[in-house]
Amino acid sequence: QSALTQPASVSGSPGQSITISCTGTSSDVGGYNFVSWYQHHPGKAPKLMIYDVTKRPSGVSNRFSGSKSGNTASLTISGLQAEDGADYYCCSYAGSGTFVVFGGGTKLTVL
Amino acid sequence: QLQLQESGPGLAKPSETLSLTCIVSGGSISNSAYHWGWIRQPPGKGLEWIGTIYYSGSTYYNPSLKSRVTVSVDTSKNQFSLNLNSVTAADTAVYYCARIGGSYFPDYWGQGTLVTVSS
Repeated sequence: QSALTQPASVSGSPGQSITISCTGTSSDVGGYNFVSWYQHHPGKAPKLMIYDVTKRPSGVSNRFSGSKSGNTASLTISGLQAEDGADYYCCSYAGSGTFVVFGGGTKLTVL
Repeated sequence: QLQLQESGPGLAKPSETLSLTCIVSGGSISNSAYHWGWIRQPPGKGLEWIGTIYYSGSTYYNPSLKSRVTVSVDTSKNQFSLNLNSVTAADTAVYYCARIGGSYFPDYWGQGTLVTVSS
């Protein structure tokens, strides 16, 4: 069982917006503004999409945005495109003992 | 452009030790701004953090794996390594090495290497 809870799957049609949630505790998501999100196509290296809750690395589309409220972080993808279909994982710092925890992953299907 | 490449056997026997190395190119592993880590993904499952090391040798391990894991660094070769002992079939996974950014997010990843534990 993963430390952070994500929905197993979400879907949306091209052009629509979807949101993926990531629920943790006050010891990880809620305790630090160090949440990151990854896009993972099978067989490839995961790609960093969001870090520090809301920041986008250079080169990542502004259709991807992150937020956090309490112990739950969220990734929103607007203007869905076919190539957005992938697995998405959240990740949070969890203190010097545990260091880093991941969510179980969410499969995004673009209909 | 920073690149990371995992290397090591693709097969390990039960009860033996799984050993992998991550070769870093395009940047120095001694850069004080970063940690370096190992992450794995068992077939059909999510990502699991294994352990992280700083160039000075300070380590942080997943509590559930801590008794079996050793991560080490060789700054002269610009690489770091993973040893996981007493492996079982549950340790079968794609193993990734990654650079860990300043606020604890893996920002650069290797392509991953599949390690199967089987006799």
